[in-house]
Amino acid sequence: LAKTTQPISMDSYEGQEVNITCSHNNIATNDYITWYQQFPSQGPRFIIQGYKTKVTNEVASLFIPADRKSSTLSLPRVSLSDTAVYYCLVGEENTGFQKLVFGTGTRLLVSP
Amino acid sequence: GAVVSQHPSWVICKSGTSVKIECRSLDFQATTMFWYRQFPKQSLMLMATSNEGSKATYEQGVEKDKFLINHASLTLSTLTVTSAHPEDSSFYICSARTGARSTGELFFGEGSRLTVL
Repeated sequence: LAKTTQPISMDSYEGQEVNITCSHNNIATNDYITWYQQFPSQGPRFIIQGYKTKVTNEVASLFIPADRKSSTLSLPRVSLSDTAVYYCLVGEENTGFQKLVFGTGTRLLVSP
Repeated sequence: GAVVSQHPSWVICKSGTSVKIECRSLDFQATTMFWYRQFPKQSLMLMATSNEGSKATYEQGVEKDKFLINHASLTLSTLTVTSAHPEDSSFYICSARTGARSTGELFFGEGSRLTVL
C-alpha cells in the first residue's frame, strides 16, 4: 500500500521560500501526488497535484523526480497565514475502491 | 472548485444518544464519498468509503454498527454515530471525488465537531 513520509514540523519566517519534501517509495504507476493544506477545525484544502516533473499554480509548485519516489512542495514567500498542516497524499487501491490515506502531515509555523 | 458541505458544523449531545452528520456535494454528483475522523493534533483517519446505492466499506477497527453510513443519493451521504460516548468526541470530515483518477478532484467538507457529554 502506498504510504507517505513527511517531516513532522517545519519553521519559517515571513517572506521565505518553504520546501516540504514527501517520500512515497511505493507509489503506483497510475497514482498522482496531491498536496492538501489544513487549518485548525477546517477540512483540508487542495493545493496542487502532479504526476511527474514540475507543476506550478498560483500558490505553489510541485517538483517530482523521474523515479516519483518523492515530491517537494514549494511555497514561495510564505506569510503568517500559511501556518497550517500540509499533507502529501498518493492514491490507494483496495478491492476496486480508490481511497486516500493521510500520513502525519507537516506542521508549518511561519513567524514574523 | 467543487463544493462539499457538511451539516451540522458542530454538535453537542448527551452520552447514549445518536447523532447524524450530513455530507452533500453541492454542484457535482459523487458516487464515492469518504468519511474521516480527526482527533486534536492528529492526522485524518479514514473511517469508511461510502458508495452510492451500496454498503459502505469500513476500515479495520471501525465498528460498522457504531458508525452507520448511508449514501442514498449521488449528492448525499450521512454518518450516524449511534449511542455516542465521550470517546466518540472528535472532528468528523467527509470528502467526495468528482473524477475517476485515484487522487484527483477530491474535495473536503468543512468538518463537523462532535462533543459528547
